[in-house]
Amino acid sequence: DAGVIQSPRHEVTEMGQEVTLRCKPISGHDYLFWYRQTMMRGLELLIYFNNNVPIDDSGMPEDRFSAKMPNASFSTLKIQPSEPRDSAVYFCASSLVISGVRNQPQHFGDGTRLSIL
Amino acid sequence: RKEVEQDPGPFNVPEGATVAFNCTYSNSASQSFFWYRQDCRKEPKLLMSVYSSGNEDGRFTAQLNRASQYISLLIRDSKLSDSATYLCVVSLYNTDKLIFGTGTRLQVFP
Repeated sequence: DAGVIQSPRHEVTEMGQEVTLRCKPISGHDYLFWYRQTMMRGLELLIYFNNNVPIDDSGMPEDRFSAKMPNASFSTLKIQPSEPRDSAVYFCASSLVISGVRNQPQHFGDGTRLSIL
Repeated sequence: RKEVEQDPGPFNVPEGATVAFNCTYSNSASQSFFWYRQDCRKEPKLLMSVYSSGNEDGRFTAQLNRASQYISLLIRDSKLSDSATYLCVVSLYNTDKLIFGTGTRLQVFP
């Protein structure tokens, strides 16, 4: 079975450019999470969706970041304009909903390594 | 204060050794607890959930102490393949969010 698929795997761009990261969750998973990982701050939750609806975006750093989930099989994280401090590994994860049971294991994609010059 | 705190390590241990990691969490409303493993330049993967009574999975034992708000992971008979970063993860009551610690790095040498 295919896992969570993220693209691109690597992105290098100049500051000020728009960056779009893409994620395809595991089929049938109702939750989708976007994380950012840096050496200093570790893994931070940016935003998560349940049934394509954003539930909590309190981790989104600022208005330059936006995320969408137009359907159950696709999500994007956009940074516009990008800045050098946005350089990090961005992970997408998905998990299943089981009625009455929270926090099912999250399955992570390979991540996108983003470098803003 | 960080919500989840871990000793970053690295812990350098020989094959066959027993090693233990601790993790503390600040919010007493934390309800679910996990250990994830992350290999270098890879994605995190669930290692095991942590239950109130403690639980074991092969060479791995996880313990939870709610009174002191800490979680532990014990690895017996370490293998070279155990070398990785171990992430302590908690979630609060009635939420689907996971809060990750920054991880403890383990290096097992021959």
